[in-house]
Amino acid sequence: AQSVTQLGSHVSVSEGALVLLRCNYSSSVPPYLFWYVQYPNQGLQLLLKYTSAATLVKGINGFEAEFKKSETSFHLTKPSAHMSDAAEYFCAVSERGSQGNLIFGKGTKLSVKP
Amino acid sequence: DGGITQSPKYLFRKEGQNVTLSCEQNLNHDAMYWYRQDPGQGLRLIYYSQIVNDFQKGDIAEGYSVSREKKESFPLTVTSAQKNPTAFYLCASSGAGAGSGANVLTFGAGSRLTVL
Repeated sequence: AQSVTQLGSHVSVSEGALVLLRCNYSSSVPPYLFWYVQYPNQGLQLLLKYTSAATLVKGINGFEAEFKKSETSFHLTKPSAHMSDAAEYFCAVSERGSQGNLIFGKGTKLSVKP
Repeated sequence: DGGITQSPKYLFRKEGQNVTLSCEQNLNHDAMYWYRQDPGQGLRLIYYSQIVNDFQKGDIAEGYSVSREKKESFPLTVTSAQKNPTAFYLCASSGAGAGSGANVLTFGAGSRLTVL
């Protein structure tokens, strides 16, 4: 069965510092992987997705993630945090061919200090 | 602009009452989904539908019901049998096919239900 583990329910960084949000997955077949962002009282917005092309995926708002099969990881990074990045971030996995049936991690809330 | 509209945004209900949450999409997506979100628990799948007049239970379907009479609409009813209905409910949709695009979910803005 597929699963997703996000390490750290809360991460706090200073403005301008590196953002690193960790995600590890479990899947018996090559998966699709996603990162979504959620601002308070809003729906989720797709940041980026991995679908077996380049292992380094670039998304919106300066975020990127690297698929590492050997480590079963898909960590999200951003070189320099902005105050506007404060939100909750969700990693998700799905099997190829399983239309839309995503398994979500429990989320990591990112705080950005001035 | 294409998107998903959920209503109402906030809803209060008394114990023992059924309540229906609306979800409408104009993206021409075949599949639609309902998720429940509780603090610290991520998103849990309630029901999903891949085609009109057909739907399947997700991980936490007990106490909920859905219908899919039109492609654009997928309403969720929270029944009095749901023991702990206070939560944030998210509707989503995705396109058809087996490619990666079919796995990309587009979400509505959510409906927050509070049981008094």
